[in-house]
Amino acid sequence: AQTVTQSQPEMSVQEAETVTLSCTYDTSENNYYLFWYKQPPSRQMILVIRQEAYKQQNATENRFSVNFQKAAKSFSLKISDSQLGDTAMYFCAFIPWGANNLFFGTGTRLTVIP
Amino acid sequence: NAGVTQTPKFQVLKTGQSMTLQCAQDMNHNSMYWYRQDPGMGLRLIYYSASEGTTDKGEVPNGYNVSRLNKREFSLRLESAAPSQTSVYFCASSQLSSYNSPLHFGNGTRLTVT
Repeated sequence: AQTVTQSQPEMSVQEAETVTLSCTYDTSENNYYLFWYKQPPSRQMILVIRQEAYKQQNATENRFSVNFQKAAKSFSLKISDSQLGDTAMYFCAFIPWGANNLFFGTGTRLTVIP
Repeated sequence: NAGVTQTPKFQVLKTGQSMTLQCAQDMNHNSMYWYRQDPGMGLRLIYYSASEGTTDKGEVPNGYNVSRLNKREFSLRLESAAPSQTSVYFCASSQLSSYNSPLHFGNGTRLTVT
C-alpha cells in the first residue's frame, strides 16, 4: 500500500524566515514522482514543486526547494524568505510511475506571521 | 485563461437527492480527475478519465458515477446523496497521466448532505 505521512498538522514562521515542512512516504516502488501542492484560502490547489525519484539532484523552484532522501523515503519542503502569500495548506503527494492515482498526505497548515 | 472550471461552488442536498457536478477545462488536456477532500484525510481519487471516452475507478468510487462528455468536460453524479458524501470536491486535469504531468485543479465544490 502507498501512504504519505505529514506529521506536522500546523506550523508557523516569521515573515522572511525559513521553514521546513516534513513528508515521509511508504512504497515498494522504485520509480515514482513526488509533489508538493499548496492550497491557499481560495481553496485552489497549486503545484509548488515536483521531484522524480530517479533524479538524485533536489528540485528547486525559486524560494522553494526539497530535500529528497530516497533511502529514508523522506521528501521535505523548504521555503526560504517566507512571504505572507505563503500562508496556506501544503500537501505532499506521491505517485508511482505509470499510475493514475496521486496519493496525498493529510496536509500541513502553514501560517506566515508578519 | 480559465483553466479548470467547476460548478456549482456550493451545494446543499437532502439525503436521497441527486445532483451532477460539472467540470470543464480549456487547456486541451487528455486526462481528467475527480477528487474529494475531507478534513484530516487529504485528497482521495474518486474517478478519472485518461482520455475521451474512457473512465476508471479511483480509490473511493462507491456512490458516484462519471461521464466524460467530450475532451473538455467531465461530470460527477451522485445518484442518491448520503451524509457521508459531505465533502469538498475537486476536478483536475493534466496533459498526460498524472504521474508525468502536473495536475491543474479547479476551485472546488463544497457539498453538504443533510
